[in-house]
Amino acid sequence: EVQLVESGGGLVKPGGSLTLSCAASGFTFSTYTMNWVRQAPGKGLEWVSSISSSSDDIFYADSLKGRFTVSRDNARNSLYLQMNSLRAEDTAVYYCARDQLTSTIVARALRYYPYMDVWGRGTTVTVSS
Amino acid sequence: SSEVTQDPAVSVALGQAVRITCQGDSLRGYFTNWYQQKPGQAPVLVIFAGNNRPSGIPDRFSGSSSGNTAFLTITGAQAEDEADFYCSSRDRSGNRYVFGPGTKVTVL
Repeated sequence: EVQLVESGGGLVKPGGSLTLSCAASGFTFSTYTMNWVRQAPGKGLEWVSSISSSSDDIFYADSLKGRFTVSRDNARNSLYLQMNSLRAEDTAVYYCARDQLTSTIVARALRYYPYMDVWGRGTTVTVSS
Repeated sequence: SSEVTQDPAVSVALGQAVRITCQGDSLRGYFTNWYQQKPGQAPVLVIFAGNNRPSGIPDRFSGSSSGNTAFLTITGAQAEDEADFYCSSRDRSGNRYVFGPGTKVTVL
């Protein structure tokens, strides 16, 4: 069974740090781009970061302003999110999600369209004094 | 940053059809994905790349698009379809996902 299990959430004071983990199983983790997505209480989904299979391509949401760092260990089938200088507005459920690609011909050119097909249950981060 | 909009809420009578709208300039360049999220649960992919259903998703869910607008249609809504639905695409760089604010679907 394809599964993603997040861990590492908890209560942290403003300005503190926390590292989240996501353990993957049931698929060849090393061949997939992975994502972090968060959801503040009562709010919508917000994409946070993505990391390619080999860690060559890493992207972050502009709103993070360099405070978060994504990494992965393919030997351990694990994805990480290091979060520094945490603020109250970082309080959220953090999900890891597997990236998938589909392709189709558009205007006689092969184009690829990404989507997130498998999600974990999430881990809760609360930033409060 | 790219902005995607959705109607905050829609309601549908049991067994009837409902269409959810997602609008934004970024939708012109990429097909839209749709996620269903029930309270206390993780999002579930229901439509990818515009009009494709993952395995296990009922065929009453369908996707379409026109210009900068994408649509998710539920034909014959069931009580279990009551949830928040989020559309998602890529920003202009193509490197980042953007989500709509979500539409709460109520089945009456």
